[in-house]
Amino acid sequence: DAKTTQPTSMDCAEGRAANLPCNHSTISGNEYVYWYRQIHSQGPQYIIHGLKNNETNEMASLIITEDRKSSTLILPHATLRDTAVYYCIVRVGLNSGNTPLVFGKGTRLSVIA
Amino acid sequence: SAVISQKPSRDICQRGTSLTIQCQVDSQVTMMFWYRQQPGQSLTLIATANQGSEATYESGFVIDKFPISRPNLTFSTLTVSNMSPEDSSIYLCSVKGTVNEKLFFGSGTQLSVL
Repeated sequence: DAKTTQPTSMDCAEGRAANLPCNHSTISGNEYVYWYRQIHSQGPQYIIHGLKNNETNEMASLIITEDRKSSTLILPHATLRDTAVYYCIVRVGLNSGNTPLVFGKGTRLSVIA
Repeated sequence: SAVISQKPSRDICQRGTSLTIQCQVDSQVTMMFWYRQQPGQSLTLIATANQGSEATYESGFVIDKFPISRPNLTFSTLTVSNMSPEDSSIYLCSVKGTVNEKLFFGSGTQLSVL
């Protein structure tokens, strides 16, 4: 699976949009971009994933560049409960095999009141 | 979605003893994964647990230290054997949803070894 690069930490004001970048310059054509987050003392939680089109769900939006070498996770209106470590992971689709997710160090997002 | 129950949620153990962690899923799943998260670190995969066959271990993890059972499609156990303080971590089980691209995680077992 391709490797990802994320900033170690970011701050965001409550109510503002949080934009979390991820570089994955070696991504292959059949690899998806997944985002998970881990709130303190909990297991990781799925947020969103995409292949090449931008995606949006009730939690967030995922913007993938046209060359697919980077992406941005957007939390449109961050709240204090969004404070967590956010992991960007690239791998082939889960339904293409049973290989697990490989976690990097992630970005520690702190939402500030 | 899959609901995962992990037991115990936390434990404090003595050096040299063993602890078995249970992972129960509310639906049948093909694969279960066991991860370790050391203090302040990211998740590291320990092994993949297949029903009806031996688990597949990642580099740096061995069956004698982390034996895994997978007796059916909804249950797995991970044992941390002959524990030392270096084994103090959060241990998490994970499963893949049957109809979507998501991986689901249990809430983890916080293990402290004295």
